Amino acid sequence: DTEVTQTPKHLVMGMTNKKSLKCEQHMGHRAMYWYKQKAKKPPELMFVYSYEKLSINESVPSRFSPECPNSSLLNLHLHALQPEDSALYLCASSPQTGGGTEAFFGQGTRLTVV
Amino acid sequence: AQTVTQSQPEMSVQEAETVTLSCTYDTSESNYYLFWYKQPPSRQMILVIRQEAYKQQNATENRFSVNFQKAAKSFSLKISDSQLGDTAMYFCAFMKNFGNEKLTFGTGTRLTIIP
Repeated sequence: DTEVTQTPKHLVMGMTNKKSLKCEQHMGHRAMYWYKQKAKKPPELMFVYSYEKLSINESVPSRFSPECPNSSLLNLHLHALQPEDSALYLCASSPQTGGGTEAFFGQGTRLTVV
Repeated sequence: AQTVTQSQPEMSVQEAETVTLSCTYDTSESNYYLFWYKQPPSRQMILVIRQEAYKQQNATENRFSVNFQKAAKSFSLKISDSQLGDTAMYFCAFMKNFGNEKLTFGTGTRLTIIP
């Protein structure tokens, strides 16, 4: 199983809603990532978890709250988002952090904030 | 900070032909990794090829090969015998060797293979 599974695939939410994005992998990877990709732009790193601990937060606003309940699961909790937060949110995992290891990406969640 | 530049926003090529995508980068690091990822319409980023900066030999993966010029900070991707399934956005990416798991991506090249 070399898949990173993200749910939901599409999400529309209002600015006062609370929602969560889910990411799962069963490859035994110990590093997991959230990226944000705006239309026609490259992905930008948001968070990195290494061995279930947050190791990098790229100065992401607090309305985005990551959580890593176990080594296979990564969540991104969303609250009071703005329309400019509409984007494709990509989850990725790798066997470890650093060392040039390959990151495996999910298909993303297309988020629209209305 | 590292920067990655892809100067070709769009390219198109006939099926079965060869195409080269350009990438340049800027870094003060001596050890690092370079990647080419493709993102087809399915949205999933897929690793195409990976190069370790301390290796002089250019990486190859079947129809995909790179021309890595460390001194010039250039990392181009050559796709031989292009196929319709190669149609995608291609991103060049940089990663430092130690202490930072961040992939820094270029702006991408949209490649279209014409039947």
